[in-house]
Amino acid sequence: DAGVIQSPRHEVTEMGQEVTLRCKPISGHNSLFWYRQTMMRGLELLIYFNNNVPIDDSGMPEDRFSAKMPNASFSTLKIQPSEPRDSAVYFCASSPGGGESREEGNQPQHFGDGTRLSIL
Amino acid sequence: AQKVTQAQTEISVVEKEDVTLDCVYETRDTTYYLFWYKQPPSGELVFLIRRNSFDEQNEISGRYSWNFQKSTSSFNFTITASQVVDSAVYFCALSELTFVGGGADGLTFGKGTHLIIQP
Repeated sequence: DAGVIQSPRHEVTEMGQEVTLRCKPISGHNSLFWYRQTMMRGLELLIYFNNNVPIDDSGMPEDRFSAKMPNASFSTLKIQPSEPRDSAVYFCASSPGGGESREEGNQPQHFGDGTRLSIL
Repeated sequence: AQKVTQAQTEISVVEKEDVTLDCVYETRDTTYYLFWYKQPPSGELVFLIRRNSFDEQNEISGRYSWNFQKSTSSFNFTITASQVVDSAVYFCALSELTFVGGGADGLTFGKGTHLIIQP
């Protein structure tokens, strides 16, 4: 079965350029998450969607960051304009979401391989 | 606010030794979920286990075992007879229940423990 697919795997661009990261979640999963990993701050939740609706974007660092999920099989994370401090590994994850009981709630998230972003 | 603390930044042991990775969490919710993930040198994040807050049974899977104690807010991970392939960064994570029957909540991760297994 196909896992979470992220593209590109690596992105190197100059400061000020627009960057778009893409994610295809696992089919049937109704929750999608964007995380960022840096040495200084570790793994941070940026934003997540349930049923294509953004639920919590409090982790998005600045207005330069935006995320969309136009349908159940695709999401984008955009940085415009990019800055050197945005350099990090960006992970997308998806999960089946909650079940019909507390026992079934918050199922495990499955992560893509990440996008390593370098802003020069 | 939720918080996860992994006090051990790095652990180095010799192959075949047992090793325990500590995880302490903070949450105000009575329903929450705890996870462990493994990040090998290749960089991907691999799910290992999920535990809900009302099931304190310990779990064993092969050489891996997990000890969940609500009284001390801990969810520790033990690897028995460690192997070189176990070398990785291990993350403990926490999420709270948003609502039953709906979507999931985001994960709050600890800083990770870098485990080095020497041959």
